[in-house]
Amino acid sequence: GAVVSQHPSWVICKSGTSVKIECRSLDFQATTMFWYRQFPKQSLMLMATSNEGSKATYEQGVEKDKFLINHASLTLSTLTVTSAHPEDSSFYICSARGLPSTDTQYFGPGTRLTVL
Amino acid sequence: KQEVTQIPAALSVPEGENLVLNCSFTDSAIYNLQWFRQDPGKGLTSLLLIQSSQREQTSGRLNASLDKSSGRSTLYIAASQPGDSATYLCAVKYGGATNKLIFGTGTLLAVQP
Repeated sequence: GAVVSQHPSWVICKSGTSVKIECRSLDFQATTMFWYRQFPKQSLMLMATSNEGSKATYEQGVEKDKFLINHASLTLSTLTVTSAHPEDSSFYICSARGLPSTDTQYFGPGTRLTVL
Repeated sequence: KQEVTQIPAALSVPEGENLVLNCSFTDSAIYNLQWFRQDPGKGLTSLLLIQSSQREQTSGRLNASLDKSSGRSTLYIAASQPGDSATYLCAVKYGGATNKLIFGTGTLLAVQP
């Protein structure tokens, strides 16, 4: 089946630094990728939707200048958390949609971000 | 506002018991509904997908039903096992295949051996 990977699986950084998280579709072309954030014991909240080669569409309340999303190829999207602060500590999950089925999202394993 | 809620928030059952997880959604005009499993600190595994025209889907010991008119879906797990312990999330899609998923609040299931 379709596989989505994320790197790194966990990261710890100092407050004020930037962190980049990669999301890759390993065996299919992802025309659309989604980025979610999940706080402890809460559900997934969609942050943004990105289509390959286009600017990302951000959900209400998500700062686009703080969470930079790049979807430059059909197999890679990146989320950069700029000037991270402790309140950005969360579990970030990406999902990808495309061939073999455009109706299904395939989820990555998630990235645990801890900002000290 | 389109919201998805799940009851109960947490559930503990002894091994072998049959159980039902509930999902409700405020807007009944859904495109499809999906049940996922999430293990601690991990991503999501899709369990069952029900299209708006369907009433139920089955996979092994899992059965998901959909009642659009009442805005409800249930996930039935038969003969529960300790390995079923996880958080179960339902997610609803509105409008069309390319639209976003709206996730429920999740049910944390613990199956005691």
